[in-house]
Amino acid sequence: KAGVTQTPRYLIKTRGQQVTLSCSPISGHRSVSWYQQTPGQGLQFLFEYFSETQRNKGNFPGRFSGRQFSNSRSEMNVSTLELGDSALYLCVSSTAGTGEETQYFGPGTRLLVL
Amino acid sequence: AQSVSQHNHHVILSEAASLELGCNYSYGGTVNLFWYVQYPGQHLQLLLKYFSGDPLVKGIKGFEAEFIKSKFSFNLRKPSVQWSDTAEYFCAVNGAYYGGATNKLIFGTGTLLAVQP
Repeated sequence: KAGVTQTPRYLIKTRGQQVTLSCSPISGHRSVSWYQQTPGQGLQFLFEYFSETQRNKGNFPGRFSGRQFSNSRSEMNVSTLELGDSALYLCVSSTAGTGEETQYFGPGTRLLVL
Repeated sequence: AQSVSQHNHHVILSEAASLELGCNYSYGGTVNLFWYVQYPGQHLQLLLKYFSGDPLVKGIKGFEAEFIKSKFSFNLRKPSVQWSDTAEYFCAVNGAYYGGATNKLIFGTGTLLAVQP
């Protein structure tokens, strides 16, 4: 079974631009979450989607948004990029999102904002 | 608000030494607890998890963790480390404090373990 895939793997943008990151969860998984990982702040929760509905949202500004499609694939968007948005963005999938099943991490998209 | 503290940021051990990594969380309700590991160049992966029952849980590669509710702790242990255990270790907590199920994880800042051969 293929793992969580994220595209693109690396991205370079400049301040003020916007970016869209994509995540394909493991086949059959309906829950997708996103995290931002930086050396200073560690792993921070962005959003959680289950069956196309945002179920939970972290403490990030409104420039960060996401969505989930009917096939469970998910995208996140960051508008008006700032230097501080440079990070590794991780997508995580699980079967039903009960909080008790194993969650699987993707390889991440490394975003560099210049 | 929930939080997770990992007190050891960097740990250096020799092979065959015993390992204990500390993890404390702050949350008064029912929690699910996890340890994740990230080997160099690899994805984060689950090491072990605790939901209920026996507070001593065993994970992959000989790791175990003990949940002590009175101390809000979930320390990770391994009796004898190997060079291949060199990795970053993250403690995490999941709590349905808003009611209903959630996969939201609160992570500690991580502990970088280096095992010298």
